[in-house]
Amino acid sequence: GQNIDQPTEMTATEGAIVQINCTYQTSGFNGLFWYQQHAGEAPTFLSYNVLDGLEEKGRFSSFLSRSKGYSYLLLKELQMKDSASYLCAVIESNYQLIWGAGTKLIIKP
Amino acid sequence: GAVVSQHPSWVICKSGTSVKIECRSLDFQATTMFWYRQFPKQSLMLMATSNEGSKATYEQGVEKDKFLINHASLTLSTLTVTSAHPEDSSFYICSARSLAGYEQYFGPGTRLTVT
Repeated sequence: GQNIDQPTEMTATEGAIVQINCTYQTSGFNGLFWYQQHAGEAPTFLSYNVLDGLEEKGRFSSFLSRSKGYSYLLLKELQMKDSASYLCAVIESNYQLIWGAGTKLIIKP
Repeated sequence: GAVVSQHPSWVICKSGTSVKIECRSLDFQATTMFWYRQFPKQSLMLMATSNEGSKATYEQGVEKDKFLINHASLTLSTLTVTSAHPEDSSFYICSARSLAGYEQYFGPGTRLTVT
């Protein structure tokens, strides 16, 4: 069946680094997305991985291992504005997007 | 690029009335648009997928006669909540996928309150 797992909540300190993990079991795979969603707002795109490896984009990096069904989002030099929910989503073979429940990241000063 | 707009941003309506929400892709053609609903502190729930010129595909448990979806052009999809009830109060978000790739671009959302 389809399943995407990510931690419900994480807490980190301003200026630190945090890694948010996502594991998935889906019907086929056409890529994995990470989205950021601030409270009361719609999600915004962060990254898309379809090949194994690390994609770096400024303070945010995303890693994918297809053989392990595993991805992580790495946030460096955390800022208070990074407090948000981070959503992992997988595109299946039929192009349907399967969403994880999201990880609420709390940044403390 | 890849901007999606939604209108209205928020709406308050009385129980029993209907509300129409518009979703537009402003700078690209969206062959597929998605409608989501999100209750406070809960994850996104896909309601339906609509392809331009064809009937929408609704997720299990979503009443197609209550949530009418029209995707008449490559840049516009509408969701009409008919005979709204207070339990329909939620944050409705649309997203659009272009011909070019798999990524979904989200609109800013519409907050519906039914009194």
